[in-house]
Amino acid sequence: DAGVIQSPRHEVTEMGQEVTLRCKPISGHDYLFWYRQTMMRGLELLIYFNNNVPIDDSGMPEDRFSAKMPNASFSTLKIQPSEPRDSAVYFCASSLDSFNQPQHFGDGTRLSIL
Amino acid sequence: RKEVEQDPGPFNVPEGATVAFNCTYSNSASQSFFWYRQDCRKEPKLLMSVYSSGNEDGRFTAQLNRASQYISLLIRDSKLSDSATYLCVVKGSGGYQKVTFGTGTKLQVIP
Repeated sequence: DAGVIQSPRHEVTEMGQEVTLRCKPISGHDYLFWYRQTMMRGLELLIYFNNNVPIDDSGMPEDRFSAKMPNASFSTLKIQPSEPRDSAVYFCASSLDSFNQPQHFGDGTRLSIL
Repeated sequence: RKEVEQDPGPFNVPEGATVAFNCTYSNSASQSFFWYRQDCRKEPKLLMSVYSSGNEDGRFTAQLNRASQYISLLIRDSKLSDSATYLCVVKGSGGYQKVTFGTGTKLQVIP
């Protein structure tokens, strides 16, 4: 079975550029999560969706970050304009709509902002 | 107090040793608990769920203590391949699907 698919795997761009990260959740999963991981702050939840609707975006660091889920099989996380402090690994995860179901993670996007 | 706390380690143990990690959580209303494993530069992967009565999967045993609000992971007969960071995960502590990850405990198994 296909797992969570993220693209690109690596992104290197200059400060000020727009960055778009993509995620395809596991088919049939109702929940989708975006995380950011750094050495200093560990794994941070940015936002999550239920049935394509954003439920909690309190982890989004600032207005430069936005996320969308136009359908059940696709989500994007956009950073505009990007800054060096946004450099991190960004993970997407999905889960079934059941209380004791775990999240399944994609391989992540390693983002470097120069 | 952090919602989920773990000793960051590192725990350096010889092959064949038994090692245990604890993780404490602050919200007594938390409902589901998991252990994830994360290898260097890789994504977190589910190791096992933690059930109220405790559960075992091969060399791994997980336990939940609701009264003291902690979960534990015991690894018996450590292998070199067990070297990784182990993340404690608590679910349902604020909103139906809210999940909180601990910062992880690093384990290094030494030959």
